Amino acid sequence: ETGVTQTPRHLVMGMTNKKSLKCEQHLGHNAMYWYKQSAKKPLELMFVYNFKEQTENNSVPSRFSPECPNSSHLFLHLHTLQPEDSALYLCASSPTWGATNQPQHFGDGTRLSIL
Amino acid sequence: AQTVTQSQPEMSVQEAETVTLSCTYDTSESDYYLFWYKQPPSRQMILVIRQEAYKQQNATENRFSVNFQKAAKSFSLKISDSQLGDAAMYFCAYRRSQETSGSRLTFGEGTQLTVNP
Repeated sequence: ETGVTQTPRHLVMGMTNKKSLKCEQHLGHNAMYWYKQSAKKPLELMFVYNFKEQTENNSVPSRFSPECPNSSHLFLHLHTLQPEDSALYLCASSPTWGATNQPQHFGDGTRLSIL
Repeated sequence: AQTVTQSQPEMSVQEAETVTLSCTYDTSESDYYLFWYKQPPSRQMILVIRQEAYKQQNATENRFSVNFQKAAKSFSLKISDSQLGDAAMYFCAYRRSQETSGSRLTFGEGTQLTVNP
């Protein structure tokens, strides 16, 4: 039991498809994060939600659309992606955005491949 | 802006031996947090150890310890008595301490550790 669950584990999609990644945390946290992990690059923070409100959008293209309906769930809606968007997408959570002394807890990620 | 550098893309160690992974960072802040995360093939990022910059004492967690050199902006991870389960990608990460900056983590590029039986 990781505490942060991501589905699906793998996703292959064409550039014109629409799909969604899901993240759920069972830790009672109020902050949730999306990261992109590409080969041989540091993790890139994409979005942050704190108490369901978006607090960070790290210049992410609009073809990525996050949604946070409640503090336990986070989605990443995908539309018209590009081959360079192929990566591992990691979700994380922490008690709150301001709790800087608390570590983030990560899910297992969704491996996304764009054809 | 803060940057984190891991200069060793790959490292290997014999089982039961000790290995040290390097990390340097650049910041103008005086108070911050440093982390080492482990990412095994299962892909989940797992927190290994954490260091508060205001603490001079190096953090330890069982077989894992750090050598924190604040003046040199160095934060290396030492793994003692290496085990096969330690094989993973290791990421060094930095976070500012001010609440207004939130929990943003800055990661290094990672070091792939192989443990040989």
